[in-house]
Amino acid sequence: AQKITQTQPGMFVQEKEAVTLDCTYDTSDQSYGLFWYKQPSSGEMIFLIYQGSYDEQNATEGRYSLNFQKARKSANLVISASQLGDSAMYFCAMRERAGFQKLVFGTGTRLLVSP
Amino acid sequence: NAGVTQTPKFRVLKTGQSMTLLCAQDMNHEYMYWYRQDPGMGLRLIHYSVGEGTTAKGEVPDGYNVSRLKKQNFLLGLESAAPSQTSVYFCASSLDSYEQYFGPGTRLTVT
Repeated sequence: AQKITQTQPGMFVQEKEAVTLDCTYDTSDQSYGLFWYKQPSSGEMIFLIYQGSYDEQNATEGRYSLNFQKARKSANLVISASQLGDSAMYFCAMRERAGFQKLVFGTGTRLLVSP
Repeated sequence: NAGVTQTPKFRVLKTGQSMTLLCAQDMNHEYMYWYRQDPGMGLRLIHYSVGEGTTAKGEVPDGYNVSRLKKQNFLLGLESAAPSQTSVYFCASSLDSYEQYFGPGTRLTVT
Protein backbone atom coordinates (compact mmCIF):
# COMPACT_ATOMS: atom_id res chain seq x y z
CA ALA A 1 0.00 0.00 0.00
CA GLN A 2 1.28 3.44 -0.85
CA LYS A 3 2.33 5.22 2.29
CA ILE A 4 2.55 8.76 0.94
CA THR A 5 0.26 10.12 -1.75
CA GLN A 6 0.80 13.37 -3.59
CA THR A 7 -2.03 13.69 -6.07
CA GLN A 8 -0.89 16.89 -7.79
CA PRO A 9 1.78 16.16 -10.41
CA GLY A 10 2.02 19.88 -11.19
CA MET A 11 0.83 23.15 -9.72
CA PHE A 12 0.94 26.70 -11.03
CA VAL A 13 0.87 29.85 -8.92
CA GLN A 14 1.48 33.51 -9.54
CA GLU A 15 4.21 35.32 -7.72
CA LYS A 16 3.16 36.67 -4.30
CA GLU A 17 0.18 34.35 -4.06
CA ALA A 18 -0.16 31.45 -1.61
CA VAL A 19 -0.23 27.83 -2.75
CA THR A 20 -1.09 24.55 -1.02
CA LEU A 21 0.59 21.29 -1.98
CA ASP A 22 -1.34 18.22 -0.91
CA CYS A 23 -0.01 15.19 0.92
CA THR A 24 -1.91 12.31 2.47
CA TYR A 25 -0.30 9.44 4.34
CA ASP A 26 -1.12 6.00 5.58
CA THR A 27 0.21 4.49 8.78
CA SER A 28 -0.98 2.45 11.72
CA ASP A 29 1.71 3.86 14.00
CA GLN A 30 0.78 6.41 16.63
CA SER A 31 4.20 8.03 16.60
CA TYR A 32 5.47 9.23 13.25
CA GLY A 33 7.00 12.25 11.56
CA LEU A 34 6.14 14.10 8.39
CA PHE A 35 8.63 16.05 6.29
CA TRP A 36 8.65 18.27 3.25
CA TYR A 37 11.67 18.58 0.98
CA LYS A 38 12.28 20.90 -1.96
CA GLN A 39 14.27 19.80 -5.01
CA PRO A 40 15.19 22.65 -7.37
CA SER A 41 16.33 22.01 -10.92
CA SER A 42 19.93 21.80 -9.67
CA GLY A 43 18.97 18.49 -8.04
CA GLU A 44 19.79 18.83 -4.36
CA MET A 45 17.24 17.93 -1.70
CA ILE A 46 16.51 20.77 0.71
CA PHE A 47 14.71 20.17 4.00
CA LEU A 48 11.82 22.58 4.52
CA ILE A 49 9.68 21.61 7.47
CA TYR A 50 8.89 18.83 9.96
CA GLN A 51 5.74 17.86 11.85
CA GLY A 52 5.63 15.24 14.59
CA SER A 53 2.45 13.25 15.08
CA TYR A 54 2.15 14.41 18.68
CA ASP A 55 2.80 18.08 17.91
CA GLU A 56 -0.33 20.01 18.77
CA GLN A 57 0.57 23.07 16.75
CA ASN A 58 1.06 23.14 13.00
CA ALA A 59 4.72 23.55 12.10
CA THR A 60 5.87 26.81 10.55
CA GLU A 61 9.22 27.84 9.06
CA GLY A 62 9.24 31.30 7.56
CA ARG A 63 6.95 31.27 4.52
CA TYR A 64 6.32 27.54 4.89
CA SER A 65 3.63 26.06 7.08
CA LEU A 66 2.33 22.56 7.40
CA ASN A 67 -1.44 22.11 7.63
CA PHE A 68 -1.58 18.93 9.71
CA GLN A 69 -4.95 17.22 9.95
CA LYS A 70 -4.35 14.03 11.85
CA ALA A 71 -7.84 12.56 11.57
CA ARG A 72 -7.75 13.00 7.80
CA LYS A 73 -4.14 11.82 7.63
CA SER A 74 -3.12 14.84 5.64
CA ALA A 75 -0.03 17.03 5.88
CA ASN A 76 -0.36 19.75 3.29
CA LEU A 77 2.41 22.27 2.69
CA VAL A 78 1.37 25.90 2.42
CA ILE A 79 3.77 28.36 0.82
CA SER A 80 2.79 31.95 1.40
CA ALA A 81 3.82 34.87 -0.83
CA SER A 82 5.31 32.65 -3.56
CA GLN A 83 8.59 33.68 -5.13
CA LEU A 84 10.09 32.77 -8.50
CA GLY A 85 12.75 30.79 -6.62
CA ASP A 86 10.06 28.53 -5.20
CA SER A 87 9.73 26.83 -8.61
CA ALA A 88 10.87 23.27 -7.89
CA MET A 89 9.76 19.74 -7.12
CA TYR A 90 8.33 19.26 -3.64
CA PHE A 91 8.34 15.92 -1.86
CA CYS A 92 6.36 14.86 1.16
CA ALA A 93 7.91 12.11 3.27
CA MET A 94 7.06 10.12 6.39
CA ARG A 95 9.09 8.44 9.08
CA GLU A 96 7.21 5.68 10.87
CA ARG A 97 8.26 4.75 14.35
CA ALA A 98 8.43 1.12 13.29
CA GLY A 99 10.72 2.08 10.43
CA PHE A 100 13.08 3.83 12.77
CA GLN A 101 15.02 6.36 10.72
CA LYS A 102 13.71 5.36 7.34
CA LEU A 103 11.86 7.90 5.23
CA VAL A 104 9.20 6.98 2.69
CA PHE A 105 8.73 9.59 -0.03
CA GLY A 106 5.81 10.55 -2.19
CA THR A 107 6.14 10.99 -5.95
CA GLY A 108 6.38 14.75 -5.70
CA THR A 109 4.61 17.85 -7.01
CA ARG A 110 6.23 20.19 -9.50
CA LEU A 111 5.48 23.81 -8.62
CA LEU A 112 5.87 26.54 -11.20
CA VAL A 113 5.74 30.15 -10.04
CA SER A 114 5.00 32.69 -12.76
CA PRO A 115 5.72 36.44 -12.66
CA ASN B 1 32.01 22.11 7.04
CA ALA B 2 31.17 20.42 3.72
CA GLY B 3 28.07 18.55 4.95
CA VAL B 4 27.39 15.49 2.80
CA THR B 5 29.52 14.95 -0.27
CA GLN B 6 29.21 12.32 -2.99
CA THR B 7 31.78 11.00 -5.44
CA PRO B 8 31.50 10.87 -8.42
CA LYS B 9 28.86 13.32 -9.65
CA PHE B 10 28.33 11.56 -12.97
CA ARG B 11 29.22 8.11 -14.28
CA VAL B 12 28.47 6.01 -17.34
CA LEU B 13 28.88 2.24 -17.03
CA LYS B 14 28.47 -0.63 -19.44
CA THR B 15 26.24 -3.52 -18.44
CA GLY B 16 28.14 -5.92 -16.20
CA GLN B 17 30.71 -3.41 -14.98
CA SER B 18 31.14 -2.68 -11.31
CA MET B 19 31.59 0.55 -9.42
CA THR B 20 31.49 2.09 -5.97
CA LEU B 21 29.81 5.33 -4.99
CA LEU B 22 31.33 7.13 -2.04
CA CYS B 23 29.41 9.20 0.46
CA ALA B 24 31.17 11.22 3.14
CA GLN B 25 29.77 13.38 5.93
CA ASP B 26 31.60 15.61 8.36
CA MET B 27 28.75 16.19 10.82
CA ASN B 28 29.48 13.17 13.05
CA HIS B 29 26.07 11.71 12.20
CA GLU B 30 25.29 8.16 13.26
CA TYR B 31 22.77 7.39 10.55
CA MET B 32 23.48 7.25 6.84
CA TYR B 33 21.29 6.28 3.88
CA TRP B 34 21.41 5.56 0.18
CA TYR B 35 18.39 6.39 -1.99
CA ARG B 36 17.71 6.18 -5.67
CA GLN B 37 15.47 8.59 -7.55
CA ASP B 38 13.71 7.55 -10.73
CA PRO B 39 11.34 9.70 -12.78
CA GLY B 40 7.83 9.71 -11.36
CA MET B 41 8.74 7.50 -8.39
CA GLY B 42 10.16 9.81 -5.75
CA LEU B 43 13.10 8.60 -3.65
CA ARG B 44 13.38 4.99 -2.59
CA LEU B 45 15.64 3.70 0.16
CA ILE B 46 18.27 1.19 -0.97
CA HIS B 47 20.30 0.54 2.20
CA TYR B 48 20.95 2.36 5.41
CA SER B 49 23.25 2.29 8.41
CA VAL B 50 22.57 3.11 12.04
CA GLY B 51 26.23 3.30 12.99
CA GLU B 52 29.78 2.36 12.10
CA GLY B 53 30.01 -1.28 11.11
CA THR B 54 26.25 -1.74 10.64
CA THR B 55 24.14 -1.90 7.51
CA ALA B 56 20.54 -2.84 6.77
CA LYS B 57 18.34 -3.31 3.72
CA GLY B 58 15.88 -0.72 2.62
CA GLU B 59 13.04 -0.86 0.15
CA VAL B 60 15.02 -1.73 -3.02
CA PRO B 61 18.30 -3.45 -1.99
CA ASP B 62 18.69 -6.00 -4.80
CA GLY B 63 21.81 -5.54 -6.93
CA TYR B 64 23.53 -3.29 -4.39
CA ASN B 65 25.88 -3.77 -1.49
CA VAL B 66 27.04 -1.29 1.11
CA SER B 67 29.73 -0.89 3.73
CA ARG B 68 30.23 1.47 6.67
CA LEU B 69 33.77 0.82 7.85
CA LYS B 70 34.20 4.38 9.12
CA LYS B 71 31.52 6.51 10.74
CA GLN B 72 31.92 9.31 8.22
CA ASN B 73 31.79 7.15 5.07
CA PHE B 74 29.06 5.04 3.49
CA LEU B 75 29.89 3.17 0.30
CA LEU B 76 27.38 1.87 -2.23
CA GLY B 77 28.57 -0.84 -4.58
CA LEU B 78 27.18 -2.20 -7.81
CA GLU B 79 28.85 -5.54 -8.55
CA SER B 80 27.35 -6.08 -12.01
CA ALA B 81 25.56 -3.02 -13.30
CA ALA B 82 22.27 -3.37 -15.19
CA PRO B 83 20.36 -0.78 -17.27
CA SER B 84 17.61 -0.88 -14.60
CA GLN B 85 20.12 0.72 -12.22
CA THR B 86 20.25 3.89 -14.32
CA SER B 87 19.15 6.47 -11.81
CA VAL B 88 20.15 9.39 -9.64
CA TYR B 89 21.62 8.22 -6.34
CA PHE B 90 21.40 10.30 -3.20
CA CYS B 91 23.22 9.79 0.04
CA ALA B 92 21.88 11.29 3.26
CA SER B 93 22.86 11.40 6.91
CA SER B 94 21.07 12.29 10.11
CA LEU B 95 21.84 12.77 13.76
CA ASP B 96 18.43 11.75 15.01
CA SER B 97 14.95 11.06 13.76
CA TYR B 98 14.37 14.50 12.38
CA GLU B 99 16.13 16.12 9.48
CA GLN B 100 18.11 14.11 6.98
CA TYR B 101 20.85 16.01 5.18
CA PHE B 102 21.27 15.06 1.55
CA GLY B 103 24.28 15.04 -0.70
CA PRO B 104 24.19 16.58 -4.20
CA GLY B 105 23.46 13.28 -5.95
CA THR B 106 25.24 11.03 -8.46
CA ARG B 107 23.77 10.57 -11.92
CA LEU B 108 24.50 7.03 -13.11
CA THR B 109 23.78 5.74 -16.60
CA VAL B 110 24.16 2.05 -17.44
CA THR B 111 24.23 1.27 -21.14
